Amino acid sequence: QSALTQPASVSGSPGQSITISCTGTSSDVGGYKYVSWYQQYTGKAPKLIIYDVTYRPSGISNRFSGSKSGNTASLTISGLQAEDEAHYYCSSYTSRSTSRLFGGGTKLTVL
Amino acid sequence: EVELVESGGGLVKSGGSLTLSCVASGFTFRDYPMNWVRQAPGKGLEWVASLSSSGSYIYYAESLKGRFTISRDNAKDSLFLQMNSLRAEDTAVYYCARVSAFGYSSSWYAPLDHWGQGTLVTVSS
Repeated sequence: QSALTQPASVSGSPGQSITISCTGTSSDVGGYKYVSWYQQYTGKAPKLIIYDVTYRPSGISNRFSGSKSGNTASLTISGLQAEDEAHYYCSSYTSRSTSRLFGGGTKLTVL
Repeated sequence: EVELVESGGGLVKSGGSLTLSCVASGFTFRDYPMNWVRQAPGKGLEWVASLSSSGSYIYYAESLKGRFTISRDNAKDSLFLQMNSLRAEDTAVYYCARVSAFGYSSSWYAPLDHWGQGTLVTVSS
């Protein structure tokens, strides 16, 4: 069982918006601004798409946005495109241990 | 362009050992902390180990119980993961990843901004 909880799957139609949640505790997601999101296509390496809750690295589409409320962080993808179909993982700093937390991952299906 | 290339994966029997390598290019390797992250088949990401830029600070996932050793050679822009007493549950793709540590007071706050393509380790029982 992962330290951060994500839904196993979400789906949406092209052009729609979807949101993926990532729930932790006050010792990680809720207590700090250090939440990141990674996109992973099947058989490929993860790619950083959001860091520090809301920031996008250079080259990442502004269709991707991040937010946080309490112990839950969220990744929103607007204007869904077929190319967005992938797995998405959240990650957070934790004050409980010297380790790096990941969520269990969410598979996004574009219908 | 930042590039991380892992090698050294393969098939090994339970109880055996293997050493993974990750060669970096496109950036000043000695300035960055590095991590190893693994992914079992069909599963999610699992952090394995972290190493500071100088190599002085080392951390491991508790589940590894001293079987793995992370190290680096800054002169050769290389990161290593020595894995001993391998078990079937260590079967995974192993990724090396760069920590985007600049601007953060602790590397634990920083995201992993570049990843290698991964190398597959299969442990047979």
